[in-house]
Amino acid sequence: QKEVEQDPGPLSVPEGAIVSLNCTYSNSAFQYFMWYRQYSRKGPELLMYTYSSGNKEDGRFTAQVDKSSKYISLFIRDSQPSDSATYLCAARADTNAGKSTFGDGTTLTVKP
Amino acid sequence: ETGVTQSPTHLIKTRGQQVTLRCSSQSGHNTVSWYQQALGQGPQFIFQYYREEENGRGNFPPRFSGLQFPNYSSELNVNALELDDSALYLCASSHEGLAEETQYFGPGTRLLVL
Repeated sequence: QKEVEQDPGPLSVPEGAIVSLNCTYSNSAFQYFMWYRQYSRKGPELLMYTYSSGNKEDGRFTAQVDKSSKYISLFIRDSQPSDSATYLCAARADTNAGKSTFGDGTTLTVKP
Repeated sequence: ETGVTQSPTHLIKTRGQQVTLRCSSQSGHNTVSWYQQALGQGPQFIFQYYREEENGRGNFPPRFSGLQFPNYSSELNVNALELDDSALYLCASSHEGLAEETQYFGPGTRLLVL
């Protein structure tokens, strides 16, 4: 079993829709949770970063972490065609940014 | 752009050959991590170098090795290539020791092993 499992998708939504992307994890030591966006033929770029449980909002993006259920979510409001990409959730146990465990990604398409 | 560059962008090798991939980290970053991303999967941690020493390794065999140099550049070497080594290889740089530090990925090198 993988330590970070992600809803595989793909996901296709109309422009303006609210998107919900979800992951679960099994390692109780994970304390830092990240969402990355990866466009085709590019490296992942960090979207959201959360420490421990709680919500974090940044513009149209909201990240939620529920450590009691080991559940990670990313919500995208007013989705745009430019949001079309693969979204990767990731987690790590300590402050070492490099040793992250990733999910397999969900590919999102936002149709105009 | 993240300031992390990788070369080459694409590479084709045959089984049994050796390959060296290169990464130039963001200026000032003392840590580089290498990941393998197979098609349709997330990045898998290969190893990390901190101040030119290996600082942790994922579930990869010893034929995967690396080097980090003082000028913020690094290498990933893979010996005795296998078909399953075909993947996107990503390097990511960070500055270990800073609170809530994140890592910045390069665009990757796409390796095809025939």
